[in-house]
Amino acid sequence: QVQLVESGGGVVQPGRSLRLSCAASGFTFSTYAVHWVRQAPGKGLEWVALISFDGSNKYYADSVRGRFTISRDNSKNTLYLQMKSLRPDDTAVYYCARATGGSYRHGGDYWGQGTLVTVSS
Amino acid sequence: DIQMTQSPSSLSASVGDRVTITCRASQSISSFLNWYQQKPGKAPKLLIYAASNLQSGVPSRFSGSGSGTDFTLTISSLQPEDFAAYYCQQSFNTPFTFGPGTKVDIK
Repeated sequence: QVQLVESGGGVVQPGRSLRLSCAASGFTFSTYAVHWVRQAPGKGLEWVALISFDGSNKYYADSVRGRFTISRDNSKNTLYLQMKSLRPDDTAVYYCARATGGSYRHGGDYWGQGTLVTVSS
Repeated sequence: DIQMTQSPSSLSASVGDRVTITCRASQSISSFLNWYQQKPGKAPKLLIYAASNLQSGVPSRFSGSGSGTDFTLTISSLQPEDFAAYYCQQSFNTPFTFGPGTKVDIK
């Protein structure tokens, strides 16, 4: 069955860096685009970034562009989110989500359970 | 960036009620509109993609309609497991913005 498992969250001081991972299984990871979406405590969903199936195209929310980098290793079936210059408003649960049918345009059909990032001194 | 609004922000309904949630985009997004359901402490679940396409495994009481800037999610007969938050998301242009959500609770 399709599974996405995020890891790497934790408590980090403002200005520091953190790398999240999303391990995929149960499908051919290398043929699917993948999203990162976050949710601040008690708030709504915020789309963060998208990477194409082969990593050649990457897209970012304005709030993270220049600070976050999305990448993937298809040989390891793993998606990454490198986060730098973290700010308190980056505090959120971070989800990875598989692009529905491989298409950028149809949302995310499978989601991980999320990993919590807390940015605080 | 495309801004998404939803109405109402919350509603109270009874089991068996017909429920309609509206989503509006700040510019035309054709039919690139997705709907999600989220329960507390859980990841979102895709219900509808491309405005009116029911995701596999989603009950047929859920339906979506609309194009351009105005979209609707309808639950034809609310069930106990449907009490949750609902979000729309445009996937016409990046950033793929979400609406602020609609919370459906028990009357």
